[in-house]
Amino acid sequence: QQQVKQSPQSLIVQKGGIPIINCAYENTAFDYFPWYQQFPGKGPALLIAIRPDVSEKKEGRFTISFNKSAKQFSLHIMDSQPGDSATYFCAARSGGGADGLTFGKGTHLIIQP
Amino acid sequence: DVKVTQSSRYLVKRTGEKVFLECVQDMDHENMFWYRQDPGLGLRLIYFSYDVKMKEKGDIPEGYSVSREKKERFSLILESASTNQTSMYLCASSLRQGDGYTFGSGTRLTVV
Repeated sequence: QQQVKQSPQSLIVQKGGIPIINCAYENTAFDYFPWYQQFPGKGPALLIAIRPDVSEKKEGRFTISFNKSAKQFSLHIMDSQPGDSATYFCAARSGGGADGLTFGKGTHLIIQP
Repeated sequence: DVKVTQSSRYLVKRTGEKVFLECVQDMDHENMFWYRQDPGLGLRLIYFSYDVKMKEKGDIPEGYSVSREKKERFSLILESASTNQTSMYLCASSLRQGDGYTFGSGTRLTVV
């Protein structure tokens, strides 16, 4: 059973556009929701994370929106640049970290110049 | 910056071989993890460890074992490699439970 569902699988956006990647979960025990960015040949790197006591978090051009009642969260990239082209993974964790992260299947994002 | 180093970038092994994948972190992190990454399946947790000589099964432990004899080193062992274990293997560490992960660059294993 997939615990974190991520969509879309791939996304192409023009430079300056706002790509949006969505994730949904079922496990109400999840209490930490990070996003990771992965470039080819590299391991994933933590981009931004949110806990369910807030509905939005911004770091630079990256924003997480969180809807606890709908059990959904999304990543928005403002003023997207070709350098943002990468694979993005959402993830979730429960139990204060007692278990490992559960990842979505990833979104391959391309920002066209 | 924390560094997580995986000993090999690419490995080719034969079916039935015993395979060792090594991971070392240099910042005294308590927690270490092994994931495999496959196209369309994302990252799936194989095993993790919160302390020396301690291990916990993840979501897909079958066919794998791990060893953590020292705090900085976490080894993934494929007891008898099979072709369906061809994958990218990623090691990660975190300082404490609840912290974000630092990943290594991965080992791409091909079993022929």
